[in-house]
Amino acid sequence: AQSVTQLGSHVSVSEGALVLLRCNYSSSVPPYLFWYVQYPNQGLQLLLKYTTGATLVKGINGFEAEFKKSETSFHLTKPSAHMSDAAEYFCAVSDKIAGGYQKVTFGTGTKLQVIP
Amino acid sequence: EPEVTQTPSHQVTQMGQEVILRCVPISNHLYFYWYRQILGQKVEFLVSFYNNEISEKSEIFDDQFSVERPDGSNFTLKIRSTKLEDSAMYFCASSEEGQRNTEAFFGQGTRLTVV
Repeated sequence: AQSVTQLGSHVSVSEGALVLLRCNYSSSVPPYLFWYVQYPNQGLQLLLKYTTGATLVKGINGFEAEFKKSETSFHLTKPSAHMSDAAEYFCAVSDKIAGGYQKVTFGTGTKLQVIP
Repeated sequence: EPEVTQTPSHQVTQMGQEVILRCVPISNHLYFYWYRQILGQKVEFLVSFYNNEISEKSEIFDDQFSVERPDGSNFTLKIRSTKLEDSAMYFCASSEEGQRNTEAFFGQGTRLTVV
């Protein structure tokens, strides 16, 4: 089974500062990795995903993540935090289960606080 | 933009009662899922559904739970006799394909509170 570990359940950054949310994964097969964001009282929205190809993937709202196989990491970054980035962020890996269907395994989430 | 919609957004029920959580997946999607998130914990897979049958379920998805696609648009999760520990946010998701690299689109969730 695959798994993801998110370091830091809460991260605080100043507005305009770099955002770095850490994610490490464990996988016995080439991983397919995702970052989801959850704004208060809303559902899970896909920020970006890595499947194959370029290891630096760009997502919505200025976020990007780099897949590093040697470090088994998929950290999420944004050069300059905005107040609207305050949300909970989930790293996830997609597993293939019996019958060939997808199952998403989520990390525990990191709540991002942006300080004015 | 197409989206997965869930109703109700919040449901309060008494322990032992049956609840049905409803979801309308994206119209051309063929794969459907339920996940749940107990407060303060990670989002956990419950069940996947394709071609009118369960394709996989987790150990959480015991006999108290069932899923159904009663018509061409709705996808429901039924909890037969709710327990306090069933209190959680329940997310419905759907995907066009079942491949690992296919994005699953999630609904906004139903917060279930069992009292």
